[in-house]
Parts: sequence; C-alpha cells; structure tokens
Amino acid sequence: SQTIHQWPATLVQPVGSPLSLECTVEGTSNPNLYWYRQAAGRGLQLLFYSVGIGQISSEVPQNLSASRPQDRQFILSSKKLLLSDSGFYLCAWSLPDRDYNEQFFGPGTRLTVL
Amino acid sequence: AQSVTQPDIHITVSEGASLELRCNYSYGATPYLFWYVQSPGQGLQLLLKYFSGDTLVQGIKGFEAEFKRSQSSFNLRKPSVHWSDAAEYFCAVGVRTNAGKSTFGDGTTLTVKP
Repeated sequence: SQTIHQWPATLVQPVGSPLSLECTVEGTSNPNLYWYRQAAGRGLQLLFYSVGIGQISSEVPQNLSASRPQDRQFILSSKKLLLSDSGFYLCAWSLPDRDYNEQFFGPGTRLTVL
Repeated sequence: AQSVTQPDIHITVSEGASLELRCNYSYGATPYLFWYVQSPGQGLQLLLKYFSGDTLVQGIKGFEAEFKRSQSSFNLRKPSVHWSDAAEYFCAVGVRTNAGKSTFGDGTTLTVKP
C-alpha cells in the first residue's frame, strides 16, 4: 500500500530564515506530487505540482520554491521566510497518466513564522 | 477556469440529525468531483468521488453525494450525524490533465451538538 510522509510536523522559524519541508511517498512510482498551503480558516491553495523528476510547475508567484530531486521526494523551500508564509503545508500525490485524479494527502506541516 | 463554491462556511447540527453540505462547481466539461474531510491539524481524507455513471455515489463513514448536472451541484449528505463527524469538509473538482490537479472549495466547518 502507498503511504506519504511529511516532516517536520511543526516548525517555528524567525522571519528571514531559510525553510525546507520534505515530503516522500512510498509504494508507488512516478506519482504526480503537489504542495498546498492552507491559511487559518481558509481553503487549500495549490503552490506547486510536479509530474516527474525535475519537473516543477508553479501556480502562484511567491517567496517559495519546490524541487523534486528523486521520483518520490518533493521539497518545499525558501531562502528567506516572510510572516505571510505562516500556515499549514500539505503535500499530496496522485496516480500518474490518469484522467481522474483523486489525491492522497500527507499529515501536514504547521509552519509559524515569527 | 474551473471553480468550486461551498456556500456555507460553518454548519452546526445536532447529533443524530441529518446533514447536507452544499457544493457548486463551474467547469466546462463533465467534471470529476470529490469530497474530502479534514480533522483539526491533519491532512485530508477522501470521502467519495464521482467520475461518471450513477449520479448518487456512496462513500466512507456513511456519507453519500449526488451529482446534479442541471444544477452544477454535488451536495454531500449523511442521514444521521455522529459527534466524530465534526471536521472540515472540502469539495473539489478535478481537471482533466495528466497533472491530475484539483481545485478546492474554501471548506465547510461542521460542528456537532450533543
């Protein structure tokens, strides 16, 4: 069966510090991968998605970047965090090359920027 | 572009009462539709999905949803709510691309009164 991991679970960082959040998927190959941000009391905003190694698409301009160095690894980064980067970050995956696109979510990372 | 509207930000129901959460979508073709549930501080879990065929779909935890093309709706229902159903519920419409992206509504928070 497939599983998805995210770490860390919680993170408190000062403004201007770097960020690295990691997501890994097990039990499937060449998944589509997604990073979402969920602000308090808000819905999900798609930040980045990837259909393969090294292939990253950005949905919104922002202070963040993403990388996919391995097939089942997806990393969200920032060089300098802003207060507005605080939120709940969710990684998700879906099966590749399919018309329908049920997504499977990780447990999330709570990021607080002070 | 596709969009999803969940008109109710917050709903409160008594335990044992019936529940209906509304979802309206906008999409230029036959949609793929999903309902997800999120417990506080956790990732999202798929409740049910509609791709084609029977417009009444059954999901986990006793939930069902009905696709009504004429009304562009995909409302979620449960005949008798349990206290453990208290959570946030998200409706999503899938985009027919190989990236498997989905657009999510802003969510409805369900509170269950004893």
